[in-house]
Amino acid sequence: DVKVTQSSRYLVKRTGEKVFLECVQDMDHENMFWYRQDPGLGLRLIYFSYDVKMKEKGDIPEGYSVSREKKERFSLILESASTNQTSMYLCASSRRGGKFFEAFFGQGTRLTVV
Amino acid sequence: KQEVTQIPAALSVPEGENLVLNCSFTDSAIYNLQWFRQDPGKGLTSLLLIQSSQREQTSGRLNASLDKSSGRSTLYIAASQPGDSATYLCAVRGNFNKFYFGSGTKLNVKP
Repeated sequence: DVKVTQSSRYLVKRTGEKVFLECVQDMDHENMFWYRQDPGLGLRLIYFSYDVKMKEKGDIPEGYSVSREKKERFSLILESASTNQTSMYLCASSRRGGKFFEAFFGQGTRLTVV
Repeated sequence: KQEVTQIPAALSVPEGENLVLNCSFTDSAIYNLQWFRQDPGKGLTSLLLIQSSQREQTSGRLNASLDKSSGRSTLYIAASQPGDSATYLCAVRGNFNKFYFGSGTKLNVKP
């Protein structure tokens, strides 16, 4: 089974802290994604990566950066956490390519910024 | 930009009922459509994947259909059970490997 593992289920951080959210997948997937999920707004794409060291901005990249130094690991970085970044963060991975490949998700990280 | 809409936003049914969840999308140029289940506070679990060239997929009591030209998909759940209570999301895969999600339908199956 594909496994996407996020490093923390729950995090509480202070405003202004630098926050790292880690995601690891074990199926050699080329694509990895970071989403945030908020009530009434659904899932919104923050960043995605289609290969090592490659990244593209999603719909809401402001205040975030990412790092993909190894194929299996994709990190989301909140440079200076703010209260409006309190949210559920979801990591996903998939094979590159068209219609055959589905997305697999991690268990989510509930981040609270106080 | 692709927009994905799910109707209804919430649904409450008695146990045993058959039900249909709807998903519509604005751009028919998709590679596939995926249905997910999400339990409260958890990640997304993949239920069904329909490729763009397919019309439907079945898994157990679940059947998903796809009409790409009209931009619609339905998820049919037969003989619903309380354990089916969750939020169901659909997502379409478009260009550049991006997935676009609906806001979900929150299902409550009453015993």
